[in-house]
Amino acid sequence: ETGVTQSPTHLIKTRGQQVTLRCSSQSGHNTVSWYQQALGQGPQFIFQYYREEENGRGNFPPRFSGLQFPNYSSELNVNALELDDSALYLCASSRGGQILYEQYFGPGTRLTVT
Amino acid sequence: AQSVAQPEDQVNVAEGNPLTVKCTYSVSGNPYLFWYVQYPNRGLQFLLKYITGDNLVKGSYGFEAEFNKSQTSFHLKKPSALVSDSALYFCAVYNNAGNMLTFGGGTRLMVKP
Repeated sequence: ETGVTQSPTHLIKTRGQQVTLRCSSQSGHNTVSWYQQALGQGPQFIFQYYREEENGRGNFPPRFSGLQFPNYSSELNVNALELDDSALYLCASSRGGQILYEQYFGPGTRLTVT
Repeated sequence: AQSVAQPEDQVNVAEGNPLTVKCTYSVSGNPYLFWYVQYPNRGLQFLLKYITGDNLVKGSYGFEAEFNKSQTSFHLKKPSALVSDSALYFCAVYNNAGNMLTFGGGTRLMVKP
């Protein structure tokens, strides 16, 4: 098991609502990346935070936003939820701002939008 | 755009036999390639990566991968499969336009006793 934790484990929301997912990075890691994994698909990169700044972003709309705190934990916020947002959301922490560094993944938060 | 393809949705192998999980890539410039494994209800675990150097990369749990530039492939291999290797395997490529990893669709490995 990695030292990366995510909360909550499962979440059910209604279309149009907003959701906040949380991630605590492994000790000594200053970078957090977020991924969306739809059922039966590979993870898709949402964005990365390095030292509290966004440091890379995938092809996701602005209603997906994030934060990184001074202790390097992170939040993923999704506004105006859509049915297609139903997925497993994974966060990964690493040492250093480059994605080339080994990433340690948390167990994920499963979001269901009804 | 950087991309990887995993042509097999599922690979079946008997315990003790060698296994190969295929991955091909399409990149501009030097490829930086990764393999991850995902067990049920768990996050991804890093297996190995190719940045530069030897074409045969050794990783965790006895896995290795062979980088082949002429065939644009990065196949994952293990000499002797274990039932506990049954999981979902993902190949990924570094995309420097966005500092991100682009994953393939995954291959389910089933190892039967």
